[in-house]
Amino acid sequence: GENVEQHPSTLSVQEGDSAVIKCTYSDSASNYFPWYKQELGKRPQLIIDIRSNVGEKKDQRIAVTLNKTAKHFSLHITETQPEDSAVYFCAARSRGSTLGRLYFGRGTQLTVWP
Amino acid sequence: EAGVVQSPRYKIIEKKQPVAFWCNPISGHNTLYWYLQNLGQGPELLIRYENEEAVDDSQLPKDRFSAERLKGVDSTLKIQPAELGDSAVYLCASSFMGLATDTQYFGPGTRLTVL
Repeated sequence: GENVEQHPSTLSVQEGDSAVIKCTYSDSASNYFPWYKQELGKRPQLIIDIRSNVGEKKDQRIAVTLNKTAKHFSLHITETQPEDSAVYFCAARSRGSTLGRLYFGRGTQLTVWP
Repeated sequence: EAGVVQSPRYKIIEKKQPVAFWCNPISGHNTLYWYLQNLGQGPELLIRYENEEAVDDSQLPKDRFSAERLKGVDSTLKIQPAELGDSAVYLCASSFMGLATDTQYFGPGTRLTVL
């Protein structure tokens, strides 16, 4: 099956700085890569996703890049705000026999200091 | 639009007791997922339904876990008997599996504590 590695596990930044979270995946057939934000005690919420036919996608202060050759993708948050503080999970979806199953990374605890 | 609904939100039981979780997906979503989330980790799929059919249950510990999705809408996940190691958050998610969209939307989860 797919294996998703996520780094770093914790990230602290000053308000206004940028934050970058990186993930690698093992299955070259994976074609869909969502990012979820989970605040303490709340549900994971999709913040952005990218498909394998696109190299970059941006939504206001959030962007995701995908390098299929290297099998890694990254989340970029610019002009961070305290409300960005949460755990962020990357995920990858394989096209194989487990089509539809998302494989999640272990998460990155982002703390934005005011 | 109402999101994925789960109940109960919290459950505390003693080991060897049975427990059941309920999930109501977003209206019109044909695919339903049950995930297990241990503390400090990402969600791990337990079972996936397409309509009423369980199409991916390879990660479900079938000796003690069971699930059903009657009429292709609501779903119930059961553990019998519960063990200490089952303490975790059980997340339900749903999606509409179409050509252009398959985003999974999560419920708030049920936090299970087994004493």
